[in-house]
Amino acid sequence: QSALTQPASVSGSPGQSITISCTGTSSDVGGYNYVSWYQQHPGKAPKLMIYDVTNRPSGVSNRFSGSKSGNTASLTISGLQAEDEADYYCSSYTSSSIVVFGGGTKLTVL
Amino acid sequence: EVHLVESGGGLVQPGGSLRLSCAASGFTFSSYAMSWVRQAPGKGLEWVSAIGATGTGTYYADSVKAWVTISRDNSKNTLFLQMNSLRAEDTAVYYCAKDRSVVAAMGGMDVWGKGTTVTVSS
Repeated sequence: QSALTQPASVSGSPGQSITISCTGTSSDVGGYNYVSWYQQHPGKAPKLMIYDVTNRPSGVSNRFSGSKSGNTASLTISGLQAEDEADYYCSSYTSSSIVVFGGGTKLTVL
Repeated sequence: EVHLVESGGGLVQPGGSLRLSCAASGFTFSSYAMSWVRQAPGKGLEWVSAIGATGTGTYYADSVKAWVTISRDNSKNTLFLQMNSLRAEDTAVYYCAKDRSVVAAMGGMDVWGKGTTVTVSS
């Protein structure tokens, strides 16, 4: 099972919006609404930011939103803040009943 | 408060074995699937294995399924990962995570432990 494809890095200025893409196949992202997004700060455990493509867990800012079109899911962060600087990973359930992660995207807030 | 605490990591020689444990508290452990995710130094997250809430369904990444076994003891609120025939490429921080669903691998992982470090080296 191949990893999902994410851009290695994205950047934006405070207050701006950025979008991180996550491309898979019809056997994972395109076939199921079980895409999740995680935020990870250096030396910390990952934190769930989005589940089931579009849903935010309690306590996650509404500046974070998720969407999907075909085999590509996206995470959008609006009103960028300094504390958003982190690594972001997407994951998806697959037709093999396992989970696959993306390679991760480093977000830099300029 | 919901808590996951991993233990059992350490330095092991190539070909050796380790049993990781994850103690859960603050939620009804037997109602949720559980997963293990690892992260090699400087690398991204890699899903390793998951187990359903009752323990009847187990799932493994292709990269580990020949020498890894996931299990759980719902009476002790504890998750396990038995790793055999360890190789240098298994060196990583191993995270225990609570699934949002009773069914393994679906719906995301909403609670994570701080991880336990496994180093495979001679």
